[in-house]
Amino acid sequence: NAGVTQTPKFQVLKTGQSMTLQCAQDMNHNSMYWYRQDPGMGLRLIYYSASEGTTDKGEVPNGYNVSRLNKREFSLRLESAAPSQTSVYFCASSFGYLEGYTFGSGTRLTVV
Amino acid sequence: KNEVEQSPQNLTAQEGEFITINCSYSVGISALHWLQQHPGGGIVSLFMLSSGKKKHGRLIATINIQEKHSSLHITASHPRDSAVYICAAYNNNDMRFGAGTRLTVKP
Repeated sequence: NAGVTQTPKFQVLKTGQSMTLQCAQDMNHNSMYWYRQDPGMGLRLIYYSASEGTTDKGEVPNGYNVSRLNKREFSLRLESAAPSQTSVYFCASSFGYLEGYTFGSGTRLTVV
Repeated sequence: KNEVEQSPQNLTAQEGEFITINCSYSVGISALHWLQQHPGGGIVSLFMLSSGKKKHGRLIATINIQEKHSSLHITASHPRDSAVYICAAYNNNDMRFGAGTRLTVKP
C-alpha cells in the first residue's frame, strides 16, 4: 500500500518554465490537497479537490492550476514559474471531515 | 497576528518527561488538526478533533472550543518523539497552520 505518491522529489526550474507536479493516492480517498511549505510561513493550502470532478482555491492559488484527473490523481501545474514559487510542495488526501490526512513525501522545487 | 499560534516555538526535554504543546486559534473551526513533521520532512497526521479529548498511545490531544485552545501532550517522552509538531485550524477543507513547535527529546 503506497499511500500518497508524489513525483518528482526534486526539481530545478528556470524562471518562466512550466512544470506539473504529480500526485496519486491508492486509498480511495475522496479529498485531495496541495500545500506549499516555506521557512517561517508554515504550510499553506494552494488548491483542494473535495471530490472527483471538483477543485477549489485555497489560501495561495495565484500562479497555479490543478486537475483532478480521476479519483486517484490530483496534479499541480506551474504555467510560468517564478522564484517566489521556490518551496516544498506536499500533496495530501483524506476521506473527509474528521478523518486524518495522508501526506506525500514532498517535492522540493527551486526556481532560479 | 497569526490565525493559529503555537507555543513554545522550541522545546527541549529529557527522555521520560511529560510534554505539553499549546495551540490557540482566532478563526472559526470545525476541527483542530495535529500533525508531526519528522526531521526528514515527512508529515504524519496525528489527530483531528472537534471536541473533548483523543488519545493514541502516548499522545493525547485536547480541545476547548470556548477558549479556542488545544493542547498536545506526550507522556513518557522518547528521543524518537523529536520532531516538529504542527497544529492547524480546519474548516470546510481549508486548514490554517501554526508555525510549529520543534521538540527535541534528549536521552
